[in-house]
This record gives sequence, structure tokens and C-alpha cells, in this order.
Amino acid sequence: DVKVTQSSRYLVKRTGEKVFLECVQDMDHENMFWYRQDPGLGLRLIYFSYDVKMKEKGDIPEGYSVSREKKERFSLILESASTNQTSMYLCASSFRLALGIAATDTQYFGPGTRLTVL
Amino acid sequence: AQKVTQAQTEISVVEKEDVTLDCVYETRDTTYYLFWYKQPPSGELVFLIRRNSFDEQNEISGRYSWNFQKSTSSFNFTITASQVVDSAVYFCALSIPMIKAAGNKLTFGGGTRVLVKP
Repeated sequence: DVKVTQSSRYLVKRTGEKVFLECVQDMDHENMFWYRQDPGLGLRLIYFSYDVKMKEKGDIPEGYSVSREKKERFSLILESASTNQTSMYLCASSFRLALGIAATDTQYFGPGTRLTVL
Repeated sequence: AQKVTQAQTEISVVEKEDVTLDCVYETRDTTYYLFWYKQPPSGELVFLIRRNSFDEQNEISGRYSWNFQKSTSSFNFTITASQVVDSAVYFCALSIPMIKAAGNKLTFGGGTRVLVKP
């Protein structure tokens, strides 16, 4: 069975704190993703990683950084949390496939971390 | 740039009614993939279906069916004979291959909340 886990379901932090959100997958997937989910906006991509120590910015990377030291683990870091980063954070992973018309990869998601910054 | 629009923010039905969720997408790419995900109250996104841009066949899976029409850039989802367990937020997503990552970047719609009353 596909399994993506996130370190916390709920987290409350104070403005200015450094926050770490952890994601672990046990499917040997190369690609990992961090999204944030806000009402009416759907999910928006923050960062993704296609290999260990590799990272790429998504659509809304400002205020975030990431770390991927091991294939199965992808961390999202809020260097100095702010109230506008209060949100639901979702991690996902997928296989890295060869390019081609028929190639596709389904992203599998973790349960999410609801972060509140006071 | 890609865009996915789910015009219905919330739909409320009584059990056993059919419900159709609309999804309209925009992309200039000729190769793309469309997905539907379900997010129950527990928070985890559950993969339902993916469809590539070269396959316009409609699909049925149990009480779920999908209608893909390239001419109108739509990928609609119908739940037949709805049940209380179908209550969730449903997301439509569009995916474009990422060369470097050899995977797909997902662009999500805003989601449609479905409430099925007994």
C-alpha cells in the first residue's frame, strides 16, 4: 500500500519561530512535493524535489525552504513563521518516469499538517 | 500558464441523488493529464482517476463516471446514487510533464465541497 506520512496533524507556532514540517514516503519515489491548501484556492505548489539534494521552486516559494537529504524524507522549513503562513500543508510523492506520451505519474498525498501561526 | 476552474464551490444533495462536478481547464500544451482527487474530512487526498489528453473515452468506475471533452476543455465528474460517505471536497487537477523532474506538475482547481444528506 502507498504510504506518505507527515510528522504532525496539527501544529501551533508563534510568529518568528522556525518551523519544520517533515514528510516521509515508503514507496521509493524519486519525486516529492510540498503544497499548501487554502479555502477557494485549491492546492498550490511550494517546492518539489526530483532527487536527493535536488530542489525546484514551485509557484509560491517565498518564505519557505526545503531539504532532501534522504530519498524517503522531504522537509519544509519556515525560517521565520508569519501569520499568513497559517494553512494546511500537504506532502506528496510520485515515481520519476521516462519521458513520453504515455508516461504519467500519480502523486500520492499524506494526511496534511494544519499549521496555525499566532 | 495552466489553469483549472471548478465553478461550483459547494453542492448539497440528498442521498441517492446524482451529482455532477464541473471542471474546466486551460493549457497550451498538447500533452497533458487530468486528475480527480477526493479529500474526505480526514484531510488526505485520495486519487480517483487520471486521463491523458489523447484518450477522450469516458470512464465508469462503480458509481463514479467521468466525461472528458477536449472541444470544451472540460473533465466533468458524476457520482450516481450519492451516499453519505461521498461527502468530501473534490479536486480536479491538470498536469504538464516536467522535463527535469520527469514527472508532472499538478495545477489544482479550487475544489468543490459535496455534502450528501441522509
